[in-house]
Amino acid sequence: AQKVTQAQTEISVVEKEDVTLDCVYETRDTTYYLFWYKQPPSGELVFLIRRNSFDEQNEISGRYSWNFQKSTSSFNFTITASQVVDSAVYFCALSETTGGSYIPTFGRGTSLIVHP
Amino acid sequence: DGGITQSPKYLFRKEGQNVTLSCEQNLNHDAMYWYRQDPGQGLRLIYYSQIVNDFQKGDIAEGYSVSREKKESFPLTVTSAQKNPTAFYLCASSVERSYNEQFFGPGTRLTVL
Repeated sequence: AQKVTQAQTEISVVEKEDVTLDCVYETRDTTYYLFWYKQPPSGELVFLIRRNSFDEQNEISGRYSWNFQKSTSSFNFTITASQVVDSAVYFCALSETTGGSYIPTFGRGTSLIVHP
Repeated sequence: DGGITQSPKYLFRKEGQNVTLSCEQNLNHDAMYWYRQDPGQGLRLIYYSQIVNDFQKGDIAEGYSVSREKKESFPLTVTSAQKNPTAFYLCASSVERSYNEQFFGPGTRLTVL
């Protein structure tokens, strides 16, 4: 069985603050993939990043960075110098490779509110 | 432009009526998915299809039905058997491998009156 936990239901920050969204997962697979998606108020989920279980390098893309740690089964997402446009619901997802279904499991999401 | 379209964006239904939500993609993806989103519940999988003329139940398939007659289309019918159908419905597609991300449509918000 797989499981994704996003313990933070809602985070509220003021613009320019740094914020980290937590994601903890459970899987028995040795090969798996982790994803982050952003859902702005318009409703459409947008893919942000994919990471496979063999690549623990941190990733940085502009103000976004991701910290993948297999030892703690975590894949956390940090936004540096947050902006109002970052306000959205962020989902972490896990996809296993065994079984053949390739169906990702999503966490419940973290709602980020950035105040001006 | 390539992408996924869902229609309508808002849908109102009377209790006891079936209603069909449309999902079309022109990304040439094999796999398509339907999710239901409720506040605080994240995304829950209703049905998925990995190839034309084949589909599988997800975690909450009761009260829903789908068809996959064409690669581009994966309509979802919410039947009167669905006890609590008011929700936001998202359609997605992907290349059929777990390392590929999903592409999502804009969603349909269904309200049962």
